[in-house]
Order: sequence, then structure tokens, then C-alpha cells
Amino acid sequence: KAGVTQTPRYLIKTRGQQVTLSCSPISGHRSVSWYQQTPGQGLQFLFEYFSETQRNKGNFPGRFSGRQFSNSRSEMNVSTLELGDSALYLCASSFPPGRGGGAETQYFGPGTRLLVL
Amino acid sequence: AQKITQTQPGMFVQEKEAVTLDCTYDTSDQSYGLFWYKQPSSGEMIFLIYQGSYDEQNATEGRYSLNFQKARKSANLVISASQLGDSAMYFCAMREGISNFGNEKLTFGTGTRLTIIP
Repeated sequence: KAGVTQTPRYLIKTRGQQVTLSCSPISGHRSVSWYQQTPGQGLQFLFEYFSETQRNKGNFPGRFSGRQFSNSRSEMNVSTLELGDSALYLCASSFPPGRGGGAETQYFGPGTRLLVL
Repeated sequence: AQKITQTQPGMFVQEKEAVTLDCTYDTSDQSYGLFWYKQPSSGEMIFLIYQGSYDEQNATEGRYSLNFQKARKSANLVISASQLGDSAMYFCAMREGISNFGNEKLTFGTGTRLTIIP
């Protein structure tokens, strides 16, 4: 089975621009989560989508948004980019509900490295 | 309060030795899951091992085992017979409320950078 794929892998933008990142989950996985990783804040949860619906959202401003399509592929968008948005953006997919009601493993993609100048 | 605490920012270990990476967690949920991920310099997070709060046995996956002490709220990762390829960042993560379908959020610790010395 192919793993989680993310495009593009690297991106350079300037302040004020917007950006769209794409994530294709493992085949059959219906949940897609997004995380931001920075040296200062570490790994932080952005949001999670399941069956085209956002189920959970982290503590990020409204400039960060996302969506999920009927084939479970997901996109996240950041508008009006700021220097602090420079980060590694990781997407993870899983197939909830988990084993016997337990937690299902999230499998991560390679990430998109975004640099805002 | 930090939900996941990893107190070892960096560790150096001789090749072929065993290594223990510490992780303590804080939750009031009875139903939760604990994960360990490895992140090489390439950036991808690689799943290593999972322990559910109701699992009575410590989880094992090949050279990885999880030393789960529920009363102490600790979930340390043990890597046996370390290899040069084990050099990476290691993250402990928790998902709370796992009995509730719909909570996929992982909370991560700050990580431990493990370096294996030949």
C-alpha cells in the first residue's frame, strides 16, 4: 500500500501571500489530520477531517483552513502568510474507529516545508 | 500543564547498547492511547509502537518495547541493541478520549534527539 503523500515537498512564499498544501491519505483511510512543526512550538495539531467534515480544530487563527474531498484527499490553506508560518506541515491519516474502540494509529506523510520570506 | 513531558533533550548511546527514552503524561481520561514516533532528518514521522491505557501487557514491536507504568503515568520507550540508523528525533504522543469516536488529535512531547555512536 502506498503511504501518505504530500505535495509540494518544499515551498517558498512571501509575506501576505496564500498557500495551499495537499495531502493524499493511505488508501481506505478516512481521517486526515494536519500538524504544524516549528523549532519554537514543536508539533501542534491544526485540524482533523473525517468524511469531508472538520471534527477537531487546534488553537490556530482563522487564516488556517482546510477541507476534505469525497476521496478523502485533503488540502490546507494558509492565507495572508506571516513569517511565523514558516514550518514543516505534516499530514497524517488513520482509519477510525480504532481496534476494539481503542486508538487507531496515525500514519504521517513526508511533510511540506514552507518558508515565508 | 504539559500533557506530554520528555525530559531528555538529547542522548548519546554506544552502538549495540540498549537505550531508554523517557515519557511522562498527564490526563484525567481513563481511556487514552500512547504512541512513539521516530523522526529522521528527512522530516517524516515514522510510527514505532502503541500502548492503550487498558492494555495489560507492555507493547513490543521488534527491537522496540514500551515500559508502561500506568500509576506513574509513564510510557518509556526501550530500544534494544541500538543501530546507527536509530539516530533521530523521538516523540512521545498521546490521544485522549479514545473511546469516543471522533477524537483523532495527537498531543506531542518536545522530543528526544538520539545519537548512536559507532
